Amino acid sequence: AQKITQTQPGMFVQEKEAVTLDCTYDTSDPSYGLFWYKQPSSGEMIFLIYQGSYDQQNATEGRYSLNFQKARKSANLVISASQLGDSAMYFCAMREAKRGAGNMLTFGGGTRLMVKP
Amino acid sequence: DVKVTQSSRYLVKRTGEKVFLECVQDMDHENMFWYRQDPGLGLRLIYFSYDVKMKEKGDIPEGYSVSREKKERFSLILESASTNQTSMYLCASSLPGGLSEQPQHFGDGTRLSIL
Repeated sequence: AQKITQTQPGMFVQEKEAVTLDCTYDTSDPSYGLFWYKQPSSGEMIFLIYQGSYDQQNATEGRYSLNFQKARKSANLVISASQLGDSAMYFCAMREAKRGAGNMLTFGGGTRLMVKP
Repeated sequence: DVKVTQSSRYLVKRTGEKVFLECVQDMDHENMFWYRQDPGLGLRLIYFSYDVKMKEKGDIPEGYSVSREKKERFSLILESASTNQTSMYLCASSLPGGLSEQPQHFGDGTRLSIL
């Protein structure tokens, strides 16, 4: 079974609108962390936001917020007020405590977001 | 800022060649990682290292080996390159420690083509 599933291979959003990128995960580990990364066409991976499994509040970082629904095992990324520079691939990733101190991540297949002017 | 530098952005090699991909980080991170990225599959972990000369297999180690002789440098080796190893390769580094919000920091990637 896929550990991280991103069901939207590609999506469009109008500039200045909000957009939600879906991520569901599968783990039996009670301790885990969820990350979102952005990959522009230039190729570098940019860390956006983190949510720990025991965090009581949804994480926020500027225009990025994470809609964390633990019972549904979903960790959707919400980008408010989209900008043209938000056009990129977005990856959801999970770190499980049971994998040890190596800080290994499991990634989803990614969502390509395109912002229309 | 953490800097992870991969030696080549683009590389073209022939089937059967031995290929070296080099990665250097400047933040004294204990952990270093090699991933390959393929469309629709996201990033998949090939190998990681948690200390000099220490390594562990990731999810897809077959056909690859790694070397970490110095803390700042982590090399990925394709012993005998094959066409199915054509891909984007990404190196990353991070601090150690169990579950934490410390992210992995990535290089810009090497797009490798095996002809």
